Amino acid sequence: DIQLTQSPSFLSASVGDRVTITCRASQGISSYLAWYQQKPGKAPKLLIYAASTLQSGVPSRFSGSGSGTEFTLTISSLQPEDFATYSCQQLHSYPWTFGQGTKVEIK
Amino acid sequence: QVQLVESGGGVVQPGRSLRLSCAASGFTFSNYAMHWVRQAPGKGLEWVALISYDESSKFYADSVKGRFTISRDNSKNTLFLQMNSLRAEDTAVYFCARSHSSTYKNGFDFWGQGTLVTVSS
Repeated sequence: DIQLTQSPSFLSASVGDRVTITCRASQGISSYLAWYQQKPGKAPKLLIYAASTLQSGVPSRFSGSGSGTEFTLTISSLQPEDFATYSCQQLHSYPWTFGQGTKVEIK
Repeated sequence: QVQLVESGGGVVQPGRSLRLSCAASGFTFSNYAMHWVRQAPGKGLEWVALISYDESSKFYADSVKGRFTISRDNSKNTLFLQMNSLRAEDTAVYFCARSHSSTYKNGFDFWGQGTLVTVSS
């Protein structure tokens, strides 16, 4: 199975900060990576797919990049509603695995 | 609007069975592959199972293979997960989710609110 490792696992930031989360795959997955946002008690929300394509309705302050084994999710200017847990997912091959999550909290 | 509503969760003893349902609306259900994803308390997301739009393909995580069965009824716009021989480690919130594309490569674009399954004696 392909393992995904996110860093950091926890991040403390302020409103307006630029935030970057990294996701590393244990083997190459081309650009078959998605990012999700999840708030407590809620379902995950698709933010980005194909490593860099913004899902419809997602604010442009979110962006994704990378290919192969290293990927990043960037929030250009953190907003109050962005405090949540972010998870990456590889869709290169079955089984479709997720990273362990990065919790973004208010500093 | 797209809606996915899970039901069927609850408390069940180890070794027993449970059947989850996911009622879909707001889109042509029969055109989309569907997934089950679970999340144990305080843990990350774990993909569980996939069924193609026409039931011709089914895939399972190793952790549930042989115990869980995914199925769908396209005439009733409903997805199912039959869970047998339940274990304590199956305790989780179970989400149904829609595949964003027919290639299974573009993530899961709509999710239900989840239903909690607790396996405990």
